[in-house]
Formats: sequence, C-alpha cells, structure tokens
Amino acid sequence: DIVMTQSPDSLAVSLGERATINCKSSQSVFYSSDNKNYLAWYQQKPGQPPKLLIYWASTRESGVPDRFSGSGSGTDFTLTISSLQAADVAVYYCQQYYTTPFTFGPGTKVDIK
Amino acid sequence: QVQLQESGPGLVKPSQTLSLTCTVSGGSISSDSYYWSWIRQPAGKGLEWIGRIYTSGSTKYNPSLKSRVTMSLDTSKNQFSLKLTSVTAADTAVYYCARAGESGSSPSAMDVWGQGTKVTVSS
Repeated sequence: DIVMTQSPDSLAVSLGERATINCKSSQSVFYSSDNKNYLAWYQQKPGQPPKLLIYWASTRESGVPDRFSGSGSGTDFTLTISSLQAADVAVYYCQQYYTTPFTFGPGTKVDIK
Repeated sequence: QVQLQESGPGLVKPSQTLSLTCTVSGGSISSDSYYWSWIRQPAGKGLEWIGRIYTSGSTKYNPSLKSRVTMSLDTSKNQFSLKLTSVTAADTAVYYCARAGESGSSPSAMDVWGQGTKVTVSS
C-alpha cells in the first residue's frame, strides 16, 4: 500500500494569513503516460462528509475559492490556503488514487489563532 | 446535480453482516463511466477506502477487508451496495459512499459524497 503522511498534525493561523499543509507519499503517484499526479485534497468539517478541493495535485474543483491551491509532484505535495477565512476551519486530507487500495493521509486540523 | 444517500441499519451485532445501500439521484448509475466507492471513518479518526465498483460491475477491494467485502450494483434501483461480513467492534464507523469519474482507464478523485451513515457494531 502507498502510505500517505501529512505535516503538521495541526496548525493555527491568524485570519487572513497563509496556511500550508504538506503531504508525502511513500512512492511516486505520478503517472508518466498521462503526465498527471494522482493526488487529491479534501476538506472535512465536523459532521460533514469530505469535500473535494483539489485533484490532479493542482486542479481546483469547480466552486472552490481560489485561495486554495495545490502544488507538488511525485511524492511531495502542498496545499496552501493563501488567506485563511473562518469558513476554512476544518481537517484537510490528502489522498492518492494512483493505485488501489486508495489511501488517505492522517489529516491536518486547521484552526484560527 | 448528482446526489448520493446511504441507508441501512445503524446497529449490527458482532459476527453478523453489515449491509448498506447508496441511492444515486440526479444521474444514472449505469449510463456513464463512473467508479462508485465506499469509505469509512471511525469516530475521531481518519478515512479508510473500503473498495469500489465500476459501472460495468467490476470491483476492487481493500486487501485489508477483501475477504469480508462484497459490492454490487442494482441498476434498476439506481443503487449500489456494500456487504461486510463477520463484523466486530472495529468496524464501527461512519460509512460514506462516493463517486469518482474516469480519466482514461483510471479513476479520478471522488467528487460527490453521501452524507454518511453511522454504523455501530454492538450486542
């Protein structure tokens, strides 16, 4: 199985400041034949299902605010919230869909400082 | 737009079979090429992918659960289902169904999720 790790476990950021979450996979999730990284980011608020934010490592899902951005390739990825809003308080998960079993990172909790 | 809704018993006895259904509305489960997945989340913990079934009916399961899992499609009811046998307390979780599109011959990310249904395994 591909093991996904995230750092930090949690972070507190002031409103309007930048939040950065890192995700690392135990093996590359880049598929050279289509030049894509099979990596997604999800946001989960309490009592709600995960919501897809980013797929192919850097493509924003329709309707997701542009303050959310994804970057990285191969085994190292980053989710950036450029200007944290109160509505962004949540747990964020990365997930690889390169190969089954699909696996998720342990999550990063984002709070307001 | 497409919506998913899980249903099934909220309480299952140990050693019995957990059976859940995901009803798809706003789209046909069989008319387009999608992967239909089940994911679970124990209280306060992370997400575990259980497996998925393709529009054609082909399946892929998490090896950690493979011997106990069966997924199926019911195109007449626009539903897909999950059966997990020989459950224990470790199977207590919120169970989600989700949809993933197709990119080439591979699944994309899961873009539509159900609200989840809580299942407790207890006597």
